[in-house]
Amino acid sequence: DAGVIQSPRHEVTEMGQEVTLRCKPISGHNSLFWYRQTMMRGLELLIYFNNNVPIDDSGMPEDRFSAKMPNASFSTLKIQPSEPRDSAVYFCASSLRSVTNYGYTFGSGTRLTVV
Amino acid sequence: DQQVKQNSPSLSVQEGRISILNCDYTNSMFDYFLWYKKYPAEGPTFLISISSIKDKNEDGRFTVFLNKSAKHLSLHIVPSQPGDSAVYFCAASGHDMRFGAGTRLTVKP
Repeated sequence: DAGVIQSPRHEVTEMGQEVTLRCKPISGHNSLFWYRQTMMRGLELLIYFNNNVPIDDSGMPEDRFSAKMPNASFSTLKIQPSEPRDSAVYFCASSLRSVTNYGYTFGSGTRLTVV
Repeated sequence: DQQVKQNSPSLSVQEGRISILNCDYTNSMFDYFLWYKKYPAEGPTFLISISSIKDKNEDGRFTVFLNKSAKHLSLHIVPSQPGDSAVYFCAASGHDMRFGAGTRLTVKP
């Protein structure tokens, strides 16, 4: 298995533009997570899905952020409109289940820069 | 609300010595505690975990200790090697997984 695949690796966009980040989880994994890494706050959980259903989106910063998982092999995180403070590395992770002692498998991340 | 805290942003140790990374948590309901390692331009990778009913788990050079009464866990790396230089994240697993802010470990040759 190729692991968790995220695209793009890097995204530079202008303030006000729409940004869509993509994630393909590991086949067979039932849980998918979106995290954001910043220098100040480390890794923050934004939202997670179990069996394609959003379970907890309390970490989504504001209404400009939305996430979907239309099927078991694909998820998107959208920011509209984007702002400079959204600049961060966004990670997607997947797991067989959300409670685990084996950890989640993370993708390589998308580095977003909003200018 | 930071449920998992790593208060040391960085740590530097000499090769061959012990590295001790610390983590505190606030929620008594976590089932597992985990440590991840992250290299630049890569995602975090799982390193070692411990169940909330245990107080120690060892895997080679890595040992995690859990003190439930103090809501504290630590990762010991001995002996430390230059290849261990990375950012280490502490995490706690309940219905999801919460991470600390990370500690950058530098092992000097």
